[in-house]
Amino acid sequence: DAKTTQPNSMESNEEEPVHLPCNHSTISGTDYIHWYRQLPSQGPEYVIHGLTSNVNNRMASLAIAEDRKSSTLILHRATLRDAAVYYCILRKTSYDKVIFGPGTSLSVIP
Amino acid sequence: EAQVTQNPRYLITVTGKKLTVTCSQNMNHEYMSWYRQDPGLGLRQIYYSMNVEVTDKGDVPEGYKVSRKEKRNFPLILESPSPNQTSLYFCASSPTGATEAFFGQGTRLTVV
Repeated sequence: DAKTTQPNSMESNEEEPVHLPCNHSTISGTDYIHWYRQLPSQGPEYVIHGLTSNVNNRMASLAIAEDRKSSTLILHRATLRDAAVYYCILRKTSYDKVIFGPGTSLSVIP
Repeated sequence: EAQVTQNPRYLITVTGKKLTVTCSQNMNHEYMSWYRQDPGLGLRQIYYSMNVEVTDKGDVPEGYKVSRKEKRNFPLILESPSPNQTSLYFCASSPTGATEAFFGQGTRLTVV
């Protein structure tokens, strides 16, 4: 099962961009890169996902390395509401186990 | 509104007393799964289901059972709960394995 590694914690100032890294050196060709976040006392929430190309949506951008062994979640302007634990996971189109790591706890400083 | 509904949200029970946590989704998703979340251990998958009558073990299936008799429902059964199953449980669903997953609000279970 392919796994991901992320920094345990990161800090950002409010209104500044945040780059959250994720390493997935054992990724296979059928693995999609997903990002979820979990706010205190809530269930995980989908943020974005991609396969090979960079992706943008209203919440964030996902930059995927050319060799796909790493990716970066980009929050363009951090707000206090973005303080959460961010998880990077790999998922296959075919049904399979999902492995969550401990994620990155993001703190946003006013 | 698209949602995954878990019940109950909170449950305190005694060791050995069988319990069921229900999970229902209204999005006609094929893929459903259960996770437990413990401090320092993150989210760990218990069981997942690819469709009706098709289930498989995740990383921590011991002590749990599941069933998928209907597409919308995926109950988690603890036949004989023990204190080490005290945890926060989440149900999730998605159209396929690789698409956006929707999570329920969680069930906080305490076994005494």
